Amino acid sequence: DAGVIQSPRHEVTEMGQEVTLRCKPISGHNSLFWYRQTMMRGLELLIYFNNNVPIDDSGMPEDRFSAKMPNASFSTLKIQPSEPRDSAVYFCASSMVPRGPFFGPGTRLTVL
Amino acid sequence: GQNIDQPTEMTATEGAIVQINCTYQTSGFNGLFWYQQHAGEAPTFLSYNVLDGLEEKGRFSSFLSRSKGYSYLLLKELQMKDSASYLCAVRDPSGGYQKVTFGTGTKLQVIP
Repeated sequence: DAGVIQSPRHEVTEMGQEVTLRCKPISGHNSLFWYRQTMMRGLELLIYFNNNVPIDDSGMPEDRFSAKMPNASFSTLKIQPSEPRDSAVYFCASSMVPRGPFFGPGTRLTVL
Repeated sequence: GQNIDQPTEMTATEGAIVQINCTYQTSGFNGLFWYQQHAGEAPTFLSYNVLDGLEEKGRFSSFLSRSKGYSYLLLKELQMKDSASYLCAVRDPSGGYQKVTFGTGTKLQVIP
């Protein structure tokens, strides 16, 4: 299995631009997580899907952030408009209970 | 709500033993995970505890006390390559689902 696949691996954009991060979970996993990691705040859970349905989005910072999972093999996290404080590493992870999340390599986002 | 606490940093000597503690307060509990994260990389799974007691896996062991909301990760025969951040995470089944939330991590430095 290829593991969790994320793209792009690095993204540099300017403030105000739209950013779309993509994730392909491990086949057969029914839970998908989007996390954001910064030095100051650590690894924060943004949103969690179960069987493609968003269950908990209480960690999404504000309306500029949105996430979708149109099918079991694809999810997106969109930031529109982006701001410098959104700069972070964004991880997608998938799991099948009882196992814990398997993480993708992450997308390093820099907003100038 | 979720509250997971770990020490921010620790230093230990090569060949020694180190214990990294984690305390948690969550709405529900259905398992505790430890992950290792090297700088610039994604977190990788180390251990899983759902019942009280000690789980041993090679040089690494993890302990859980559900009544105390407490876990520790024990690393024996430390090697330089063990220098990394160690993340404690709790799965909360509240609402019938399986949300996984991480602590801020403990940065371990192994010195010669």
